[in-house]
Amino acid sequence: ETGVTQTPRHLVMGMTNKKSLKCEQHLGHNAMYWYKQSAKKPLELMFVYNFKEQTENNSVPSRFSPECPNSSHLFLHLHTLQPEDSALYLCASSQDTGGAYGYTFGSGTRLTVV
Amino acid sequence: QQQVKQSPQSLIVQKGGISIINCAYENTAFDYFPWYQQFPGKGPALLIAIRPDVSEKKEGRFTISFNKSAKQFSLHIMDSQPGDSATYFCAASKEEYGNKLVFGAGTILRVKS
Repeated sequence: ETGVTQTPRHLVMGMTNKKSLKCEQHLGHNAMYWYKQSAKKPLELMFVYNFKEQTENNSVPSRFSPECPNSSHLFLHLHTLQPEDSALYLCASSQDTGGAYGYTFGSGTRLTVV
Repeated sequence: QQQVKQSPQSLIVQKGGISIINCAYENTAFDYFPWYQQFPGKGPALLIAIRPDVSEKKEGRFTISFNKSAKQFSLHIMDSQPGDSATYFCAASKEEYGNKLVFGAGTILRVKS
């Protein structure tokens, strides 16, 4: 384990379902990120949180709703998704966003929308 | 200007050979260039990183070569091993942009034994 834990590892949901992805880190990091990884495409940054405050929403559709209750936990709430939203969703953390620190990634949630 | 272009898309190398993956960027403001390694079923893991004030950084069998004037950087894996088979991502960031990493599209490396 890298220190960033994502649950569930796999998720299959219908287009009318509501589900949530969870990310947890105990590295003492203050910045957390959601990325979308699709086949043969660069990792796409979705959201950035620094000290629990959202600092970036990278034009993500409103059917994705992030929540960061504290610096250790990050959620991604999903509703009325589309099949093209099927992808690997990665959570990452870093010391903060104010310097060039490496990210620590979780193993991701493999999402399939049917 | 925010893009990082990575090549090749896939690479097959014989065991013991040298694997070379290249990346190019446009934004001269980038000042941090990491490489990530991702195994199936895992998230990317930081492998090695370089800043533009040096032209080369070596850690074990992994070397980053950086050419600031050409706006290119590359990863060299010496004595490639089957265990190196993974997807490799280059990335770039700048502190001014809040340390957000911009990733290349990835290179799938397969080392044949």
